[in-house]
Amino acid sequence: EAGVVQSPRYKIIEKKQPVAFWCNPISGHNTLYWYRQNLGQGPELLIRYENEEAVDDSQLPKDRFSAERLKGVDSTLKIQPAELGDSAVYLCASSSRWQGVQETQYFGPGTRLLVL
Amino acid sequence: SQQGEEDPQALSIQEGENATMNCSYKTSINNLQWYRQNSGRGLVHLILIRSNEREKHSGRLRVTLDTSKKSSSLLITASRAADTASYFCATDSNYQLIWGAGTKLIIKP
Repeated sequence: EAGVVQSPRYKIIEKKQPVAFWCNPISGHNTLYWYRQNLGQGPELLIRYENEEAVDDSQLPKDRFSAERLKGVDSTLKIQPAELGDSAVYLCASSSRWQGVQETQYFGPGTRLLVL
Repeated sequence: SQQGEEDPQALSIQEGENATMNCSYKTSINNLQWYRQNSGRGLVHLILIRSNEREKHSGRLRVTLDTSKKSSSLLITASRAADTASYFCATDSNYQLIWGAGTKLIIKP
C-alpha cells in the first residue's frame, strides 16, 4: 500500500514569493491534515479536512495561507506571500474515517521550506 | 499550543540498554499516541493507548498510561542504533491531536 505522498521534498524561495505544497493521502483515508513543524518542536496543526470540508482551520494564518482539497482526495497548501518565519517542514498526514476521536495518523515525508 | 511535554528533552544511552521517556499532559484525553521521527524523515506511528487502558506492548515497546497523574511513559527495551530518533507523544483531546516537543534519543554503539 502506498503511503502519503508529498511534493516537493524541498523548496527554497525568496520572501514575498508564493509557494505551494501538494499531498496525496493514503487511498480511502477521509481525513487529511496539514501540519507545520519547526526545528526541535512537535507538529502544529494548520488544517484538518473531512473529505473535502475543512473542519478545523483555527490555526491556519488565513491572511497568507490557503488550502484546498478538491474531490476529497489530493490537497494543496499555499502560502502567499511567504515570510522568513514560514521556514519550516510542512507535513501532510491522513487517517481513516473520523469517528469523534483521533485515530492513528500516517505521515508523508514532508516538504522542507526555506524562505530567504 | 502544545499539551504534551516529553521528559527528558534528550537522552543518550549505550546500545542494548533500555530507554524510558515520559510524557505529561494537562487535560482529559481520549487516547495518547507515541510517534517516532528519524532525522530527515516523516513521523511514524508507534503505539496508541486509550484512556481506559493502563499498559500496552508492541515488540520492544511498552507504553503505560496513568490518567490520574496525566502522564505516560514509553519504554524501549534492548535499544538498537536504529532506535536513534526523536519520540513524540500526542494526546487526543477536544477533537484535536496535540503534540509535545519530543525527546531526542541517541543510541551509542
